[in-house]
Amino acid sequence: NAGVMQNPRHLVRRRGQEARLRCSPMKGHSHVYWYRQLPEEGLKFMVYLQKENIIDESGMPKERFSAEFPKEGPSILRIQQVVRGDSAAYFCASSRRNQETQYFGPGTRLLVL
Amino acid sequence: ELKVEQNPLFLSMQEGKNYTIYCNYSTTSDRLYWYRQDPGKSLESLFVLLSNGAVKQEGRLMASLDTKARLSTLHITAAVHDLSATYFCAVDQETSGSRLTFGEGTQLTVNP
Repeated sequence: NAGVMQNPRHLVRRRGQEARLRCSPMKGHSHVYWYRQLPEEGLKFMVYLQKENIIDESGMPKERFSAEFPKEGPSILRIQQVVRGDSAAYFCASSRRNQETQYFGPGTRLLVL
Repeated sequence: ELKVEQNPLFLSMQEGKNYTIYCNYSTTSDRLYWYRQDPGKSLESLFVLLSNGAVKQEGRLMASLDTKARLSTLHITAAVHDLSATYFCAVDQETSGSRLTFGEGTQLTVNP
């Protein structure tokens, strides 16, 4: 049973470009969470999704950030017009049900030049 | 707003010694988790603690939960170099819709 998969693992963008981060949850998991980890800090919640629904986006910046989890395919975190402050590791986690252990993917490390 | 605090944030210890990492949280919680993160890697789930007085052990690590004190501990027994990593506690609440609130992490270095 494959774990949570994320791609790309590393992403370099110039200021003003778009970044698209993908997450495929573990088999049988329909709940997806995105977290951001700034250097030397803990993880901060961004958004919680189920298939085709955003359940909680209270941690998402109001502008430039969006997330989706379509009926088919991976969940996508999209960052438009990236700035240097967006440089961070972005982790996706999945769970089978609400309030069960979240299993984390390997992360995407975004560097904005 | 739920706050989670860990201490110490940095811990350097010698192999063979014992030590405890503390995790305090500010409001009632439904679940408390401990995760391990190696440099540049993802988070590995270590323990899930669900009720007051819960104690779980895996190898040289033992986690406990006191919901009345809003405190969890991660005890390390006879540390070995392989335990060097950053350890995070995380809390979720039903009222927060399953999102995890993480502590700042404790960076543990075990010296030979």
